[in-house]
Amino acid sequence: GEDVEQSLFLSVREGDSSVINCTYTDSSSTYLYWYKQEPGAGLQLLTYIFSNMDMKQDQRLTVLLNKKDKHLSLRIADTQTGDSAIYFCAEIYYNQGGKLIFGQGTELSVKP
Amino acid sequence: KAGVTQTPRYLIKTRGQQVTLSCSPISGHRSVSWYQQTPGQGLQFLFEYFSETQRNKGNFPGRFSGRQFSNSRSEMNVSTLELGDSALYLCASSLIGQGNEKLFFGSGTQLSVL
Repeated sequence: GEDVEQSLFLSVREGDSSVINCTYTDSSSTYLYWYKQEPGAGLQLLTYIFSNMDMKQDQRLTVLLNKKDKHLSLRIADTQTGDSAIYFCAEIYYNQGGKLIFGQGTELSVKP
Repeated sequence: KAGVTQTPRYLIKTRGQQVTLSCSPISGHRSVSWYQQTPGQGLQFLFEYFSETQRNKGNFPGRFSGRQFSNSRSEMNVSTLELGDSALYLCASSLIGQGNEKLFFGSGTQLSVL
């Protein structure tokens, strides 16, 4: 079935690393994404990973994928107050382009 | 390159009315998807259009419909509005809608049904 789960809240201090976790249930999904949503705004694509990869790094962002446990994480290094937002993980199936299955979103609060 | 443009930004309607939302994809993108975002249900897929054809549909009642024009612009329509239709409606575009493509989202239309 289609289900993506995330913890709802995370609070960190400025300068610390943030780790946002996500689990998914369908092993046939081929691509996994992380989106950021700031108040009153749409979704901004942060990064993505192919399901045959284990890790992807993009500047301050590191994505780790554990296919056996169907677990995805997003690590933000040196977290800044501007990183405060809701972060969504999402999966997509190759033959269903445009249909993302989203988690509930993790609200990241960065305290100075 | 302009991003995905959604109009209007805000809408207030009353129960029973109908509403039409518009989405202009990124130039060159031919796949347009629509999502509904509510605090209770989160982000849910409505439908996806490619080359003026609906290719994929989520679990929403028939009151929710859409279409795509030859220039890839898309509209979605909600008839006989209910209070529960109050939501942020997001549109996303990609090149041809394959699973290996990035989806780019607009800022959304915030619909309030009174």
